[in-house]
Amino acid sequence: DSGVTQTPKHLITATGQRVTLRCSPRSGDLSVYWYQQSLDQGLQFLIQYYNGEERAKGNILERFSAQQFPDLHSELNLSSLELGDSALYFCASSPGTVSYEQYFGPGTRLTVT
Amino acid sequence: GQNIDQPTEMTATEGAIVQINCTYQTSGFNGLFWYQQHAGEAPTFLSYNVLDGLEEKGRFSSFLSRSKGYSYLLLKELQMKDSASYLCAVRSRSGNTGKLIFGQGTTLQVKP
Repeated sequence: DSGVTQTPKHLITATGQRVTLRCSPRSGDLSVYWYQQSLDQGLQFLIQYYNGEERAKGNILERFSAQQFPDLHSELNLSSLELGDSALYFCASSPGTVSYEQYFGPGTRLTVT
Repeated sequence: GQNIDQPTEMTATEGAIVQINCTYQTSGFNGLFWYQQHAGEAPTFLSYNVLDGLEEKGRFSSFLSRSKGYSYLLLKELQMKDSASYLCAVRSRSGNTGKLIFGQGTTLQVKP
């Protein structure tokens, strides 16, 4: 158990819908990262937040957005969902902006039908 | 940009030694990481190299050559539970961020 929690574990929704994934980092960690893992793309970095502010962006689609709240939990919002958005979404956390290790949560499996 | 290559699949025998290679190209280098991921589970951290040389941690060792853009993960005394995907990841120096770029992963199958 890494100490990072993600909800929900599984999510099944239809194309065109909007969903919110939630992540709570390890106690004391200020950075939160979001990654997408699909079979054909591998593990792809989406976005990093540090202490409430966006720190780095990857190839995150405009239909996706994220934020980190004052209590340091983070949410990833996915809208106008397409079949290709079906994937495992991982959240990770670390103490600082550039840390030795990132601790991954168990992931949310999103299925778009 | 950044590009990371590692073999797609490897097979080894229980008790043996296996070496998983990773080559990378990056504009600015600030560390190379190895993660282990069992099917359907979260990646877990194995090792970190930022300077050239070998880092040893129990049955696992990782090597880095920055001039060659090359790393390997060495697993000794293989156990059945080592069957998993091994992900090589690179962190860029630019922007002072923790952003990791992952390779596609190497699926290792350990056979009895």
